[in-house]
This record gives sequence, structure tokens and C-alpha cells, in this order.
Amino acid sequence: NAGVTQTPKFRVLKTGQSMTLLCAQDMNHEYMYWYRQDPGMGLRLIHYSVGEGTTAKGEVPDGYNVSRLKKQNFLLGLESAAPSQTSVYFCASSGQGVYGYTFGSGTRLTVV
Amino acid sequence: TQLLEQSPQFLSIQEGENLTVYCNSSSVFSSLQWYRQEPGEGPVLLVTVVTGGEVKKLKRLTFQFGDARKDSSLHITAAQTGDTGLYLCAGAWDTGRRALTFGSGTRLQVQP
Repeated sequence: NAGVTQTPKFRVLKTGQSMTLLCAQDMNHEYMYWYRQDPGMGLRLIHYSVGEGTTAKGEVPDGYNVSRLKKQNFLLGLESAAPSQTSVYFCASSGQGVYGYTFGSGTRLTVV
Repeated sequence: TQLLEQSPQFLSIQEGENLTVYCNSSSVFSSLQWYRQEPGEGPVLLVTVVTGGEVKKLKRLTFQFGDARKDSSLHITAAQTGDTGLYLCAGAWDTGRRALTFGSGTRLQVQP
């Protein structure tokens, strides 16, 4: 009964380094999302996917790329990390006709 | 860009007190959800409301959707220390985009 699993849970990057955050869901959900959460700003949508092989930009997509090669996985990439990308990243998924999201437990990323 | 405003931002009360949290927008929602988030975890869905005027109860929590579907409230009766957390409202609009927009949250602290 894993739900949505995010890896890693914590990461420290140097400015300019790259990394990939992995999100995996075992609920056969069609829709997957990446959000970032910053103090006082709530959750902001980075990218989302409405199905395998499709992705779309959210509110704050700059500096990030995503891929959804398999239905159960949604990857978030940072090509050249910047201190402004220091945040907590959450992945979520939802199914057809299901309003609610299931969230992962987050990845805390610090860029120094 | 649709915006969701939550109030108050912070609330500190004594155990046993009642409280209400508000979520407002200038646009009409197609549906609205409330989530609760604890430190170090992802948000967890509490309720979804879709019909104007709808009232849903979840034990001591009462959720109301405004008649015009532009606002919602969460009322907690006889708060307990276990209610402490960040309460987030999230709205969907009939734009064809399935992703939710989140409010910035109300941080609730219930003192024993």
C-alpha cells in the first residue's frame, strides 16, 4: 500500500549541478503532478502529465524538465540548479473521475 | 491566473475552542478540496465539495461550499491538539486543465 513514493527525501546540490527527482505511484493513476512548496507561498505547480508520454507546463516551469515514459513514473529534472530552486518538492497523482490528489512525502532540496 | 486566498494565515487557539478558516476566489470553482499537512509530510485530502451550498461533515470538521461556488469554509468544533497542522484549500476551474491551484494555507496551532 505504498501510494506515491518520492526519491530521494533530501538532497544538497551545488549551483550548476544537475539531478533528477523520481516519483512512482502504484495506484494506476492517469494524472501526475510536480509541485514546489515555499514558505508563505503554498504549493505551486511546476509541470503535470495527463497520461503516459504527455506532459504540460504549470505555473513555474522554468529551469525544470519532466518525463513520463511509464504510466507509474514521473521524473522531474533540474539541468543546472540555482539557489532559487531550494524548496520542498511534492509529487502527486490522481485517477480518472477522482478529484483528490494522493501526495508523496516530499523531497527537500537545498542548492548552495 | 486564478488565485485562492486563505484567511487567517496563522491561528493559535486553546484546546476546546472553535475556529473557522476561509478560502476565497473571484472565479467560480468547478470543485474545491481541503487538505491537511503535517510537518515533513505531504498534504492529505480531507474533503471534496462540488455543489454550490454543499455542506460536508467529517467528525468535528464541517466544510461548506458557497452558493456561488467562489468560496469555502472549514469549521472545527472543540479543537484538539491533534488538529494542529497546515490547512490548504485547492480549487479546480472549468478551464480543461485538471491540475489544482492551492491557497497559501492556514497554519493552525492548538495549545493544550
